[in-house]
Amino acid sequence: DTGVSQNPRHKITKRGQNVTFRCDPISEHNRLYWYRQTLGQGPEFLTYFQNEAQLEKSRLLSDRFSAERPKGSFSTLEIQRTEQGDSAMYLCASSLVRSRGLDGYTFGSGTRLTVV
Amino acid sequence: AQRVTQPEKLLSVFKGAPVELKCNYSYSGSPELFWYVQYSRQRLQLLLRHISRESIKGFTADLNKGETSFHLKKPFAQEEDSAMYYCALSGRNTPLVFGKGTRLSVIA
Repeated sequence: DTGVSQNPRHKITKRGQNVTFRCDPISEHNRLYWYRQTLGQGPEFLTYFQNEAQLEKSRLLSDRFSAERPKGSFSTLEIQRTEQGDSAMYLCASSLVRSRGLDGYTFGSGTRLTVV
Repeated sequence: AQRVTQPEKLLSVFKGAPVELKCNYSYSGSPELFWYVQYSRQRLQLLLRHISRESIKGFTADLNKGETSFHLKKPFAQEEDSAMYYCALSGRNTPLVFGKGTRLSVIA
């Protein structure tokens, strides 16, 4: 297991097109998170899963965004009808929640989306 | 609401000087606090968490509940410490909330 893997690394798309990103977490981790990061900002939470259940979605996440984690393994984040404001780095992270609390997150390298 | 404030966007120090990166938080319960670091062209990685009370790469951070702060400190800065540092907070079973980050530049 080489950590959290995200694909693609870069995506350039035309406004109005749909895009899908994939995240493969660390296999033993039961939680998977999606964050978005723009220039000069810290990562902003979008949504997270515990196993296959989507437990929380941020108000930042418009109806054009959808995320899935079938079978509790990899996850996909889809953005429909992309807008220029969607241009950002999309980060995925995974963690193991234990009875004693939260371990730190392990982040992927991110997918940089540019909407032209 | 959970909030993390890092008041400095950029902090420049000379090599060998002490470093303190400030972090203040807002949370009504008992939070878990973390520091993450991102070196140039690398992914975001965990530096330390308050629960473990450890020192990583010479950095320490103490949770001060009275002042709601979790400042990151190192007595002698090194050039390889230059990076982006993010303070983050998690409530009970809630996702991490990050500050906007502080860029540390260590000048030789």
